[in-house]
Amino acid sequence: QQQVKQSPQSLIVQKGGISIINCAYENTAFDYFPWYQQFPGKGPALLIAIRPDVSEKKEGRFTISFNKSAKQFSLHIMDSQPGDSATYFCAASSQTGANNLFFGTGTRLTVIP
Amino acid sequence: ETGVTQTPRHLVMGMTNKKSLKCEQHLGHNAMYWYKQSAKKPLELMFVYNFKEQTENNSVPSRFSPECPNSSHLFLHLHTLQPEDSALYLCASSQPGTSGGGTQYFGPGTRLLVL
Repeated sequence: QQQVKQSPQSLIVQKGGISIINCAYENTAFDYFPWYQQFPGKGPALLIAIRPDVSEKKEGRFTISFNKSAKQFSLHIMDSQPGDSATYFCAASSQTGANNLFFGTGTRLTVIP
Repeated sequence: ETGVTQTPRHLVMGMTNKKSLKCEQHLGHNAMYWYKQSAKKPLELMFVYNFKEQTENNSVPSRFSPECPNSSHLFLHLHTLQPEDSALYLCASSQPGTSGGGTQYFGPGTRLLVL
């Protein structure tokens, strides 16, 4: 059973546009929700993370929106750039557990110049 | 070197070979992980080590054998693999119990091809 569901599988956005990736989870014990960015030939790297005590977190052009009641969270990339083209993974974990991360299936983002 | 390093970066092996993947972290972390990344699948957690003790084996076949001699090094010993084991194998580390809780730092991975 997949703990975190992610959509879409792939996304094409024009330069300057907004990229939106969505994730949903079932386990209410999850209390940490990071997003990872992975470029070809590299391992995933932490991009931004949120805890359920806030509904939104912004870092530069990247924003996480979190809806606790719906058990959903999303990544918004404003003013998308070709350099943002990568695969993005959402994840979730519980601090009361073993800090194990449960990942979504990934979204391949392509930003067209 | 800084961060998490993995060697080799690429590996081709036959089904009867024995090989080992190596991971080293320079972050002072006490937890290390092995993941398998296949196309169009979520990252699959394979093994977790906390303070050199294996705390999770996620139903991984015995042809994969981990070893953690100290908190900075992690190995994955491979023997009699199958072609479906071809994937990117990622190592990660984290610091258990910190406020970052769950923040894992990944190496670049070893791309494995089993013929």
